[in-house]
Amino acid sequence: AQSVTQPDIHITVSEGASLELRCNYSYGATPYLFWYVQSPGQGLQLLLKYFSGDTLVQGIKGFEAEFKRSQSSFNLRKPSVHWSDAAEYFCAVGRGEAQKLVFGQGTRLTINP
Amino acid sequence: ETGVTQTPRHLVMGMTNKKSLKCEQHLGHNAMYWYKQSAKKPLELMFVYNFKEQTENNSVPSRFSPECPNSSHLFLHLHTLQPEDSALYLCASSQIAGDEQYFGPGTRLTVT
Repeated sequence: AQSVTQPDIHITVSEGASLELRCNYSYGATPYLFWYVQSPGQGLQLLLKYFSGDTLVQGIKGFEAEFKRSQSSFNLRKPSVHWSDAAEYFCAVGRGEAQKLVFGQGTRLTINP
Repeated sequence: ETGVTQTPRHLVMGMTNKKSLKCEQHLGHNAMYWYKQSAKKPLELMFVYNFKEQTENNSVPSRFSPECPNSSHLFLHLHTLQPEDSALYLCASSQIAGDEQYFGPGTRLTVT
């Protein structure tokens, strides 16, 4: 069965520091991969997605993610975080014929001034 | 603004009440979803509708009843809820089921 693991429940970084959020998945075929962000009390916003092709994908708000098939990972990165990046981040995996996405448990990001 | 709206944004209801949550998408999508998000729990998929047909019911109790009259609208009818049903209920849509999903802002439900 497909699954997504986000090993870090909570991460704290200083403003201006680099960020990497981890995501590992289990899936029978090459999946579609997504990162979403959720601000408190809000819905989820799509940051970026990987379907095929270049394994380094660029998203909104300066985020990027790299698909590594050998490690079953799709880690999210940002070179320099801003206070406004404080939020909950969700990794998700799916594929059209599966008809649904499976979400990880989320990583809460706190930014220190 | 994602093109997916949900009403109401907040709802307080007693255990004997009947209420409905509404979701509308303006994106021309064909698939719609209901999720439940509780504190300290992963996002739980409840229902999937693809081209107005329900394709997934994730063992949801019958006190939650979905309705999808057309591809743009999705309802969640609530009756005889329990306090543990208090949560943020999120609606999402996608071009087809399994594709990237666009989420509404959610309805914060409190059952008293």
